[in-house]
Amino acid sequence: AQSVTQLDSQVPVFEEAPVELRCNYSSSVSVYLFWYVQYPNQGLQLLLKYLSGSTLVKGINGFEAEFNKSQTSFHLRKPSVHISDTAEYFCAVIRGTSYDKVIFGPGTSLSVIP
Amino acid sequence: EPEVTQTPSHQVTQMGQEVILRCVPISNHLYFYWYRQILGQKVEFLVSFYNNEISEKSEIFDDQFSVERPDGSNFTLKIRSTKLEDSAMYFCASILDGNNYGYTFGSGTRLTVV
Repeated sequence: AQSVTQLDSQVPVFEEAPVELRCNYSSSVSVYLFWYVQYPNQGLQLLLKYLSGSTLVKGINGFEAEFNKSQTSFHLRKPSVHISDTAEYFCAVIRGTSYDKVIFGPGTSLSVIP
Repeated sequence: EPEVTQTPSHQVTQMGQEVILRCVPISNHLYFYWYRQILGQKVEFLVSFYNNEISEKSEIFDDQFSVERPDGSNFTLKIRSTKLEDSAMYFCASILDGNNYGYTFGSGTRLTVV
């Protein structure tokens, strides 16, 4: 069975500082990896996804993530955060079957401090 | 950009009452899903639906839950007799086909059972 771990439940960071949100997964089969963002009182928005190819993927709003197969990690980074990045961030996986269910991590709450 | 539409955005119901949450997936999508997020917790898979039948369901999706695609556009989740612990945000999602990993989530329905 697949599982997703997000080690940091809350990450406070000052505005314009860099941030890394950590994600590790476990799976006995190939998976596809995603990061979703949930702004307060809103739905889930796809930030970026890794399906294959280059291990560094770029997403919206200046975020990027790097897939590391040996460490089974998919950490999310942004070099300079803004107040508007304050939100809940979910790492997620899908098994090799593309229409399979999305398995979400517990989420990391990013708080950007002015 | 096409959207998945969910109505209502917030519903309050009394314990024991039936509730129907409605979703309009993107028109040419073929696979449909319901997810649940209890306040402060992670997003959990409930059920997937394809070709007018359930593809997979989680252990959460017991006999109190049912899904239906009554016409060519709506996808509904019914909870027969609501319990306090059904209070959560419910997200609908859809994807086009097995080669598309672009899940689109709706903005959610917040269900409050009192």
